[in-house]
Amino acid sequence: AIQLTQSPSSLSASVGDRVTITCRASQGISSALAWYQQKPGKAPKLLIYDASSLESGVPSRFSGSGSGTDFTLTISSLQPEDFATYYCQQFNNYPAFGGGTKVEIK
Amino acid sequence: EVQLVESGGGLVQPGGSLRLSCAASGFTFSSYEMNWVRQAPGKGLEWVSYISSSGSTIYYADSVKGRFTISRDNAKNSLYLQMNSLRAEDTAVYYCARDSPAAGLFVFDYWGQGTLVTVSS
Repeated sequence: AIQLTQSPSSLSASVGDRVTITCRASQGISSALAWYQQKPGKAPKLLIYDASSLESGVPSRFSGSGSGTDFTLTISSLQPEDFATYYCQQFNNYPAFGGGTKVEIK
Repeated sequence: EVQLVESGGGLVQPGGSLRLSCAASGFTFSSYEMNWVRQAPGKGLEWVSYISSSGSTIYYADSVKGRFTISRDNAKNSLYLQMNSLRAEDTAVYYCARDSPAAGLFVFDYWGQGTLVTVSS
């Protein structure tokens, strides 16, 4: 089974900061990667699919990049509503999620 | 507006059974593939099962294969998860999630609010 490793597992940042989260796959998955945002007590929300395609309605400060085994989610200017946990997910075969990255207020 | 509303969660003893339901509205349910995804308390997300729009193709995670059964009733706009031989490690919030028509198989664009299943004696 393909495993996804996210780093860091948590980070502290300030409003306006540029934030980067990485996701590494245990084997190549082409561009079959999605990113989700989850706030406490809520369901996950799709942000990015196909590694870099922005889901409809998601602010343009979110972007994704990468292919093969190494992927990145970038938030260009962190907003108060962006403090949440972020998960990567591969869909190259049966779905699997990364362990999550919690973005906290500095 | 797309809505997915899960129900059926609760407290069950190890070895017991539970049936979860997900009521869909706001879209043509019969045209969409659906999934169950779970999240243990304080933990990450784990995909559980998939069913195609017609119900003819079904997949399961190894952790639930042989114990859980996914099904759907397109006439009732409903998705189900029959869970048997429950274990403590099945304790989680269970979400139903729709496959994205834009992104395709196993990308989840809408999720329900979740229903909590607790397996404990």
